[in-house]
Formats: sequence, structure tokens, C-alpha cells
Amino acid sequence: DTGVSQDPRHKITKRGQNVTFRCDPISEHNRLYWYRQTLGQGPEFLTYFQNEAQLEKSRLLSDRFSAERPKGSFSTLEIQRTEQGDSAMYLCASRHPGRDEQYFGPGTRLTVT
Amino acid sequence: AQKITQTQPGMFVQEKEAVTLDCTYDTSDPSYGLFWYKQPSSGEMIFLIYQGSYDQQNATEGRYSLNFQKARKSANLVISASQLGDSAMYFCAMREGDNYGQNFVFGPGTRLSVLP
Repeated sequence: DTGVSQDPRHKITKRGQNVTFRCDPISEHNRLYWYRQTLGQGPEFLTYFQNEAQLEKSRLLSDRFSAERPKGSFSTLEIQRTEQGDSAMYLCASRHPGRDEQYFGPGTRLTVT
Repeated sequence: AQKITQTQPGMFVQEKEAVTLDCTYDTSDPSYGLFWYKQPSSGEMIFLIYQGSYDQQNATEGRYSLNFQKARKSANLVISASQLGDSAMYFCAMREGDNYGQNFVFGPGTRLSVLP
């Protein structure tokens, strides 16, 4: 299967803990995106990478959030000092340089207790 | 202002009938792209169809077609011959700017239920 993969699929953590999610894009897709989706809403853009460079960050991305894509392949999204409001589905998507559409992974569902 | 408006929170359609899901958008950029995604209860977003702002013809992909009315800023999704497996959330999205633009905005979604 050459689709976008995300790990873990589910994460339950206590408030104040740090969490890290991983996304593996489709090979040859040099663009990678992170989104957050809360119940009943559409995805909200968080950040974007082209190869290893983080080119855009949403104002939604507080300083507790950090994302990396060190070798231009997989990416990680870390949330420090989690809050209950961080509970959401975190979606990763990748995009081929010659195409318009993004392909999404299955998401990581975060629950902060 | 909302960039993407989907006025139908929920829709019902009888199996084998056609259904139209509404989407209107707001942009002043002459170059943009419009997308529809399907999200079943499993949670994964599935790409359905794409329409570029300069495309002269409406996009079609199998049973999906996009009714693009540029002057009205609408990009409705038409699903022909609905199937039970079409029951899902449907999201309209827009990318402002050309292919290199990265500002993707999603609408609130429409929940489609296909009745047997």
C-alpha cells in the first residue's frame, strides 16, 4: 500500500503531557500538510512543508505545536503541554508536485483527559 | 467571511437517484482550484474531483461531476446513481492561487445519507 500513513491512530493522554505524531507521505510527494479536524467541522490547515522546508504555518498553530520534516520524507507533529482543547483528529496529507489534489492519511485521534 | 459555504448540513437521497451537494466560495484571486472530498465514518478523507478556475469544461470522474458556475461562484457536486456506500460527509475545499498556492480552505461539510 503506497498511501499516506499516520501513527498512532489513536492517542489518549493526560493534560500537560507531550505527544508526538508521525506521518509518512506517498513517495515522490514533496509537499506535506498537517490539518486539525474537530467533530462536525472541516479540516483546518495547520502547516505545510515543501521537501524539508516548513513554508507556511497557520495562526492556529500556537507555540506549543511544532512540526518537522528533517529529511523531506516523513514528518512529525509535536504538541507540548497538551490541553483539553487539543482533542481532535490530526490529519496529514501529501501532494505530488505536478498535481493539484492532496491525499490524506487515516488521521490520529487525540483525546486529552 | 466564510471562504467556503455549504448550506446543506444534511441530505437524504434514495438509492440509484442523483443528488446535488451545494458549495459556494469566496475569493478575489483569479486563479484558484476547487475540490470535493468524501469522509466516510472511518474518518479518512477521500479525494473525489478537482476543478481549476480556468478550466472551460466541468470536471467529471465516474459518477461524480462538478457543476462549476464561475460567475455565481458555485461548485456543486453531482453524484449520479447513488449507492449505499456513498453515505458519508462531503467537504468542498478551495485552494487560492495557482498550483503553487498552499492556502487550502475546507467548508463545514454536508452529511449525505443514501436510503435503500
